[in-house]
Amino acid sequence: AQTVTQSQPEMSVQEAETVTLSCTYDTSESDYYLFWYKQPPSRQMILVIRQEAYKQQNATENRFSVNFQKAAKSFSLKISDSQLGDAAMYFCAFFQGGSEKLVFGKGMKLTVNP
Amino acid sequence: EAGVVQSPRYKIIEKKQPVAFWCNPISGHNTLYWYRQNLGQGPELLIRYENEEAVDDSQLPKDRFSAERLKGVDSTLKIQPAELGDSAVYLCASTRGWESSNVLTFGAGSRLTVL
Repeated sequence: AQTVTQSQPEMSVQEAETVTLSCTYDTSESDYYLFWYKQPPSRQMILVIRQEAYKQQNATENRFSVNFQKAAKSFSLKISDSQLGDAAMYFCAFFQGGSEKLVFGKGMKLTVNP
Repeated sequence: EAGVVQSPRYKIIEKKQPVAFWCNPISGHNTLYWYRQNLGQGPELLIRYENEEAVDDSQLPKDRFSAERLKGVDSTLKIQPAELGDSAVYLCASTRGWESSNVLTFGAGSRLTVL
């Protein structure tokens, strides 16, 4: 079974600075997708960024980028120029085509200090 | 396009009472998921539908939970009778599968409190 581990339950960052959220996963599959979702207090789960495992190039979406290390099964999220609106719960998630389900980590609470 | 719509947003009931949650997925999304999110935890899959067929319900507590997706569009998740431990947020999500790189779009969730 696939598992996703987010070892840091909480982090804080100063506005305009950079923060990195860590995630590791366990799978025996070679073809899968990895995601970071953001969940603000409104509870809406919002996609931040996705990475296809077959792509070596790290995904980037504006201020958000990932460091995907397939051999190490590591998938960290870097948020640059942090903004107050980035404060939320962040969930790392794994999707494998065979089971077609999204498996989530326990999440990490990010606080952005003005 | 409209997003995934869920109702109700909040529900408070006493234990042993029934409760139902409704989900309307994004138009054209054949795959629909129900997840349960306990406080301070990540969501956990309850059931997955491909059109009207439940293809993965292995995590659904079938003694008290039931779900249906008539006509392969809207879905309803029911709990009867509810227990204190069922207090959680119930999330619905939908996707077009590989055509959308397996990105799931989530609704705002239904928060259930069982007293």
